[in-house]
Amino acid sequence: GAVVSQHPSRVICKSGTSVKIECRSLDFQATTMFWYRQFPKKSLMLMATSNEGSKATYEQGVEKDKFLINHASLTLSTLTVTSAHPEDSSFYICSARLGSNQPQHFGDGTRLSIL
Amino acid sequence: AQTVTQSQPEMSVQEAETVTLSCTYDTSESDYYLFWYKQPPSRQMILVIRQEAYKQQNATENRFSVNFQKAAKSFSLKISDSQLGDAAMYFCAYSRIQGGKLIFGQGTELSVKP
Repeated sequence: GAVVSQHPSRVICKSGTSVKIECRSLDFQATTMFWYRQFPKKSLMLMATSNEGSKATYEQGVEKDKFLINHASLTLSTLTVTSAHPEDSSFYICSARLGSNQPQHFGDGTRLSIL
Repeated sequence: AQTVTQSQPEMSVQEAETVTLSCTYDTSESDYYLFWYKQPPSRQMILVIRQEAYKQQNATENRFSVNFQKAAKSFSLKISDSQLGDAAMYFCAYSRIQGGKLIFGQGTELSVKP
């Protein structure tokens, strides 16, 4: 149980393109989803917390207009990297949890490469 | 603000031996969760073990156990009978009880020698 699916697993695109990443909880309803960014050999950095039906809460230093987050249903959250540039290249991971005292379950991540 | 520190960037263990990964944290909360996550080369995040701070008993999961020292704010992970599949990046993490976002340590890269 507690499977989180993240799609796509790998994206390569040109600079200036907008890229959408989906995060789905397959067998549970996720009240909260999280988006992380991870650089090679580094830890996970929380970008934003996404609650179903409300605006995402962004961490300090994360550009809201750059990283658009939508949590339209209890099983789906999307992260859109708008007008992506090479410095946005990274590994993006989502997680989801059923309730506030439940552990987070992670997707397999998306490797984004901007040329 | 809460912080998590892993002071061992890399560790190595012989297959079948035991290894301990260190983690310290700082918080003013009295109740919280602590976690160890494993990230193999596939980069999937796998929950290894979870500890609730109000429970004094150390959590165990098969070959994985923790040494939770609340007063010292220390939360180490012991891996017994190490296997080649244990080779991975290990992250210690903290979260508050309610609405808790995960705060990760820097990670420890564990290699297992055959």
